[in-house]
Amino acid sequence: EDQVTQSPEALRLQEGESSSLNCSYTVSGLRGLFWYRQDPGKGPEFLFTLYSAGEEKEKERLKATLTKKESFLHITAPKPEDSATYLCAVHGSSNTGKLIFGQGTTLQVKP
Amino acid sequence: GAGVSQTPSNKVTEKGKYVELRCDPISGHTALYWYRQSLGQGPEFLIYFQGTGAADDSGLPNDRFFAVRPEGSVSTLKIQRTERGDSAVYLCASSLGPSAPYEQYFGPGTRLTVT
Repeated sequence: EDQVTQSPEALRLQEGESSSLNCSYTVSGLRGLFWYRQDPGKGPEFLFTLYSAGEEKEKERLKATLTKKESFLHITAPKPEDSATYLCAVHGSSNTGKLIFGQGTTLQVKP
Repeated sequence: GAGVSQTPSNKVTEKGKYVELRCDPISGHTALYWYRQSLGQGPEFLIYFQGTGAADDSGLPNDRFFAVRPEGSVSTLKIQRTERGDSAVYLCASSLGPSAPYEQYFGPGTRLTVT
C-alpha cells in the first residue's frame, strides 16, 4: 500500500532562518512526487513535480529534492509570506492518477 | 485563465439531509478528481473521472456517496442521508489526463458541516 509521512508536523522559523521539510514515502512504483502549498481556507496550490531520484527543482526560496525513499523541501531565508501548510503527495501504483497525500507540515515564519 | 471552481463554498446541513457539491474544472482538462480533507490531515482520494465515466471510485466511503460527470466537464458529488462524520472540506481537482503524471490543480473546496 502506498504511504506518505511528513515531518515535522509543525515548524516555527524566524525570518531568514533556513530549514528543510521531509517527506518519506513507500510506493510500489513511483510515477511522480508532488509538493503543494495550502493556505488556510484555500485549496492546495501546485509547487513542484519530481519524477526520479536525484532530480531537483527550484522556485524562488523553495527547492525540492528527491531520493528513492524521501523528498525534501528546502526553504532558504524564508519570509513571513512563506507561512502555510506544505503537502507532499505521490502518484504511485495506481493507473488512475490518484494522489496519496501526507498529513502536511505547517510552517510559521515570524518576522 | 480560470482555475477550478467549486460551489457552494460553504454548506451547512442537518443530519439525514441530501447535499450536492459542484465542481467546474479547468477548460480542456479531461481528468477530474474528488478528495476529502479533514482538519489537520492531507486530502484523501474519493473518486476519479476520465471524461464522463468514473474510472476509479475506490475512495468513496460507502454507498451514500455518489458522483456524476454527465458531459465530461462539470461534476457533482452527491451525499445522501448525511452524517456528522461527513463534515469536512471537499476538494475537486482537474488535470490534463491521468498519466504522465500530470499535475492536479485544486479548487478552493466546499466546507460541509453536518449538524
